[in-house]
Amino acid sequence: GAVVSQHPSWVICKSGTSVKIECRSLDFQATTMFWYRQFPKQSLMLMATSNEGSKATYEQGVEKDKFLINHASLTLSTLTVTSAHPEDSSFYICSATRGRGLSTDTQYFGPGTRLTVL
Amino acid sequence: GQNIDQPTEMTATEGAIVQINCTYQTSGFNGLFWYQQHAGEAPTFLSYNVLDGLEEKGRFSSFLSRSKGYSYLLLKELQMKDSASYLCAVRDQGSGNTGKLIFGQGTTLQVKP
Repeated sequence: GAVVSQHPSWVICKSGTSVKIECRSLDFQATTMFWYRQFPKQSLMLMATSNEGSKATYEQGVEKDKFLINHASLTLSTLTVTSAHPEDSSFYICSATRGRGLSTDTQYFGPGTRLTVL
Repeated sequence: GQNIDQPTEMTATEGAIVQINCTYQTSGFNGLFWYQQHAGEAPTFLSYNVLDGLEEKGRFSSFLSRSKGYSYLLLKELQMKDSASYLCAVRDQGSGNTGKLIFGQGTTLQVKP
């Protein structure tokens, strides 16, 4: 199988603090990981694409200084929401592929992290 | 631009058949995926089409017509546990061939007894 985990599964924080979310591929090496955000009753919106050992590629409208992504190893990517505000409250989901995100790769999704900023 | 359209909500009866349609207009195309998502959970993979035609997998089938920019997901012998959101996603070839998925807004299916 291809299992992706996320930690924490939920987090509540105060406005202005930073929150780190981890995404791990448990039984495969993930060269590429994707970070999505999903607001209630909406679909998944891609935030950034992260390749191991290189800088993440952010989608238009996503602030790279606010959403810091680190993909330091083949099994771990982290998303840090800096100076979180209530509007950042959302469901954050990562996915991982074995290869370089090419046409033959399936994305395996993590269980998601629900962030609530008070 | 990128546009993927699905109906917002559908209702069907347990044991029946339901078809969820998806139309897309994207700058590139490198496959279409269907995912199932229960409330508060991450999406789970259902099917993948890259060539025209029907792919059958148990109670679920998915169809693709690239010339029409159209796909559907067919669910047979509906069960109560099939109540969920169904997401249509197109893999955009785009620049750099990163394999990004572009998701539709999802179709919330309610199965009634």
